[in-house]
Amino acid sequence: AIQLTQSPSSLSASVGDRVTITCRASQGISSALAWYQQKPGKAPKLLIYDASSLESGVPSRFSGSGSGTDFTLTISSLQPEDFATYYCQQFNNYPPMYTFGQGTKLEIK
Amino acid sequence: QLQLQESGSGLVKPSQTLSLTCAVSGGSISSGGYSWSWIRQPPGKGLEWIGYIYHSGSTYYNPSLKSRVTISVDRSKNQFSLKLSSVTAADTAVYYCARVSYTKNDAFDIWGQGTMVTVSS
Repeated sequence: AIQLTQSPSSLSASVGDRVTITCRASQGISSALAWYQQKPGKAPKLLIYDASSLESGVPSRFSGSGSGTDFTLTISSLQPEDFATYYCQQFNNYPPMYTFGQGTKLEIK
Repeated sequence: QLQLQESGSGLVKPSQTLSLTCAVSGGSISSGGYSWSWIRQPPGKGLEWIGYIYHSGSTYYNPSLKSRVTISVDRSKNQFSLKLSSVTAADTAVYYCARVSYTKNDAFDIWGQGTMVTVSS
């Protein structure tokens, strides 16, 4: 099964900072990668799909890039509401299987 | 706007069967282009995919849970369900239902609010 490894596992940053989170797949997955934001006590929220497509209603400060095995989520200028845990996720067709990264907790410095 | 709402028992005894239902409102569960999934999150831990059901009724499960999981759909009630048998404390988690969108390269684009299930005697 394909594994996803996120780095870092946790990150401290300040409002206004530019932040990048990385997700590495154990084998190539083309562009079938999504990113989610989860706040405490809430369900995850889709931010990015297809590696770089912004979900409707998500602020443009969020962006995604990458293909193959290496992917990044970038927040261009952190806002107070962005402090949360972020997960990457991929889908493999054979056999049908979804996998999540272990998460990256973004905290206020 | 399509919404998902989980319901079911919040407390299950060890060795018994966990049963949850996800009610779909604001749209049809039979719409093409989507499948319907269950995902769980143990307290303080990450997300684990449990399985999904296509609008056609075909199902696929996480191999690590496959022997204990059944996902089914009730089109007349516009809902789908999860049964997980022989539960242990390791199955204690928040359980989410979610919609999978094929047009978004199989991303989970709509989620229920989640329901906490505790396995304890």
